[in-house]
Amino acid sequence: DGGITQSPKYLFRKEGQNVTLSCEQNLNHDAMYWYRQDPGQGLRLIYYSQIVNDFQKGDIAEGYSVSREKKESFPLTVTSAQKNPTAFYLCASSTGNSPRDIQYFGAGTRLSVL
Amino acid sequence: AQSVTQLGSHVSVSEGALVLLRCNYSSSVPPYLFWYVQYPNQGLQLLLKYTSAATLVKGINGFEAEFKKSETSFHLTKPSAHMSDAAEYFCAVIYPGGSNYKLTFGKGTLLTVNP
Repeated sequence: DGGITQSPKYLFRKEGQNVTLSCEQNLNHDAMYWYRQDPGQGLRLIYYSQIVNDFQKGDIAEGYSVSREKKESFPLTVTSAQKNPTAFYLCASSTGNSPRDIQYFGAGTRLSVL
Repeated sequence: AQSVTQLGSHVSVSEGALVLLRCNYSSSVPPYLFWYVQYPNQGLQLLLKYTSAATLVKGINGFEAEFKKSETSFHLTKPSAHMSDAAEYFCAVIYPGGSNYKLTFGKGTLLTVNP
């Protein structure tokens, strides 16, 4: 089945630690996105990538980093510089051909601080 | 700046009653509009989208939405609520002509369905 796989489902971070969230898609999509979801805040864009080896900052990129070395993979690292990392993180992808394209979402990773 | 407003962070209806979830955008140029649904601890699933074709858009699970340019609105409705409709609903917009395809989300409306 085609889709987006996020792992792990739950993740715990210790003080000062970097953690990496995985996002893999087998939809052959060019564009991929990372969102952060906090209660009552909707979804906010962290980073997005429209093509391999290229990515842009979204609205809340500080304290996060990404890479896009392969078309199917777009990992997100939450660095120690992100002082309030507790949130639900969602990865999405789309063909990237048109703004009317649907973004498809993974099931999310819930990150908590120990 | 692009924005989308969902009026009412929490809506409660009885089973079988009309569901109305409100969404307003802020632009003189009609955007592309989407409604997504999120069940607890899951990702988002597309309900329907408006892309400048018919103003009344039908989606999955019996939902529909009407684009009204004069009111800058794209409200989501369902004639008869079912218990399985209980979820959080997000309205999102993309404004055409930009250099990227960034979705801007509203803050969400939590729908509760009472038996």
